Amino acid sequence: ETGVTQSPTHLIKTRGQQVTLRCSSQSGHNTVSWYQQALGQGPQFIFQYYREEENGRGNFPPRFSGLQFPNYSSELNVNALELDDSALYLCASSFLSQGDTEAFFGQGTRLTVV
Amino acid sequence: DAKTTQPPSMDCAEGRAANLPCNHSTISGNEYVYWYRQIHSQGPQYIIHGLKNNETNEMASLIITEDRKSSTLILPHATLRDTAVYYCIVRVRWGGGNKLTFGTGTQLKVEL
Repeated sequence: ETGVTQSPTHLIKTRGQQVTLRCSSQSGHNTVSWYQQALGQGPQFIFQYYREEENGRGNFPPRFSGLQFPNYSSELNVNALELDDSALYLCASSFLSQGDTEAFFGQGTRLTVV
Repeated sequence: DAKTTQPPSMDCAEGRAANLPCNHSTISGNEYVYWYRQIHSQGPQYIIHGLKNNETNEMASLIITEDRKSSTLILPHATLRDTAVYYCIVRVRWGGGNKLTFGTGTQLKVEL
């Protein structure tokens, strides 16, 4: 149990729709990252938020966007869903300081686009 | 980002040590080696990390070669619950970032 919770656990959407996924960070953590994991692949970094600002982005189009709130919870929004967006979406939180930290992952949201 | 190379799969008998290798020949001097594992349909779980010295915690030991071009994760007494995909990751830090670059990992099967 990492203390990182994601909702919903499963979701089915239609191509072209928009979706919002939510993540509650572990208490005391100030950084949240989002990952996409296609079937049989390792997680791929989407972006990271630190103190409510995007702080690094992977190779994902602008229709993937996010927010981090003052309580360090976060949302991942995906517009104009495509079939290839079907994946497990993972949220990870950590505390960024002068030293290195490890990231703790939630259980993920399984998104299916039909 | 430094890339890592891991065998796609390994088997281990329960109760024996599982030794999972990782090559990271292009690692930079300030990059750490991290290990995570992912049990089927769950989020990745942090195991251990190190910079240049060997590390041990309650879950595993990490052995990093002197030239830092490879490392080995050791599960001293593997159990069936250790069956998972194990990811070796070289961690990049930039401007306060904390990006993890996952490869395809090693599928470890622990059997009776």
